[in-house]
Amino acid sequence: EAGVTQSPTHLIKTRGQQVTLRCSPISGHTSVYWYQQALGLGLQFLLWYDEGEERNRGNFPPRFSGRQFPNYSSELNVNALELEDSALYLCASSLGQPRSSYEQYFGPGTRLTVT
Amino acid sequence: AQRVTQPEKLLSVFKGAPVELKCNYSYSGSPELFWYVQYSRQRLQLLLRHISRESIKGFTADLNKGETSFHLKKPFAQEEDSAMYYCALSSPSGYALNFGKGTSLLVTP
Repeated sequence: EAGVTQSPTHLIKTRGQQVTLRCSPISGHTSVYWYQQALGLGLQFLLWYDEGEERNRGNFPPRFSGRQFPNYSSELNVNALELEDSALYLCASSLGQPRSSYEQYFGPGTRLTVT
Repeated sequence: AQRVTQPEKLLSVFKGAPVELKCNYSYSGSPELFWYVQYSRQRLQLLLRHISRESIKGFTADLNKGETSFHLKKPFAQEEDSAMYYCALSSPSGYALNFGKGTSLLVTP
């Protein structure tokens, strides 16, 4: 069974630009989560989508946004990039509600560098 | 506010020695707690969760609500246990995970 996939693997952007990251969940999973892993800050929750709806977001500014498509894949968009947005962005998927203890399966991540 | 604290950034033990990775949390309510592990050049993956009360790869973790801790233990460390370990708590308002900053475990021969 294919795991969670993310694209691209790496990218380099300039401050002020916009970026879109993509995630395909495991087949059958309806929930997709986005996390940011910045140096020194650990893994921080960004966004959670389930059944096409944004269910929760972490403590990030509105320039971080995303969506989930009917096939449950997801995009994370970051506008007006800042240097501190440089991080590894991880996507995870799980079975959907109602159980919070469903295991989350992580993708390999997208490494974003903002210069 | 929820918080997960892993006080040790790095823990180095000898092969065969016992290992304990500490995790403390602050949470109002009944938490769901997890340990995730990331081996070198591999994805982050679930190691164990408190509700299943299982032992995975010789690791166990007991939820102590009185001490608000969920320490990960193994009686005899192996070199292949060297990895980054993250303690995580499930958010009550949505099922996202609140992670600690991680502990890097190094098991030396």
